[in-house]
Amino acid sequence: LAKTTQPISMDSYEGQEVNITCSHNNIATNDYITWYQQFPSQGPRFIIQGYKTKVTNEVASLFIPADRKSSTLSLPRVSLSDTAVYYCLVGAPLYSSASKIIFGSGTRLSIRP
Amino acid sequence: DAGVIQSPRHEVTEMGQEVTLRCKPISGHNSLFWYRQTMMRGLELLIYFNNNVPIDDSGMPEDRFSAKMPNASFSTLKIQPSEPRDSAVYFCASRGLAGGSTGELFFGEGSRLTVL
Repeated sequence: LAKTTQPISMDSYEGQEVNITCSHNNIATNDYITWYQQFPSQGPRFIIQGYKTKVTNEVASLFIPADRKSSTLSLPRVSLSDTAVYYCLVGAPLYSSASKIIFGSGTRLSIRP
Repeated sequence: DAGVIQSPRHEVTEMGQEVTLRCKPISGHNSLFWYRQTMMRGLELLIYFNNNVPIDDSGMPEDRFSAKMPNASFSTLKIQPSEPRDSAVYFCASRGLAGGSTGELFFGEGSRLTVL
């Protein structure tokens, strides 16, 4: 499994765009990049997954450069409710039964008024 | 759908006692994962099952821990005997790989275990 490195914590303010970058230098050709979000006292929940370039959904965007050695989760116009821990995972795609889904330390995002 | 259901939500027990945590995955999901979360160690994968069969239990800390999945709608994680260092939040998660399932993990609300 490719190792991921992301900032331990980040702070931002309501209404700002937040970008959380994850490094995964040893990503394999078949690996996908997946992000989960965990609110206090809850289990993580899936945000977004991508393989290359850009993926966007109603929650976030995921930017992946051509070399795929890093990725950036972008949260547009954050609110207080976006305060959570964000995990970057690298491994088999969602539909693969081969997934041993490992979570790293995550990035603790704090949003202030 | 009710989502992944875990019980108990909270348990306080004394060292040496047996603890059994229960999980009901989302109907139709065929993969089930058990995780443990602490401040010190983060979110650790203990074991996961595909189609009720344990695939990887290398994360189970020691022989005191055991997990079973007797059928597609029920799994247990047992700790016997429990120790104070087992205090943590234990999460169960499931995902579907067939039909229209998306393959993402769905987590339960967790079982907070305190061993005195």
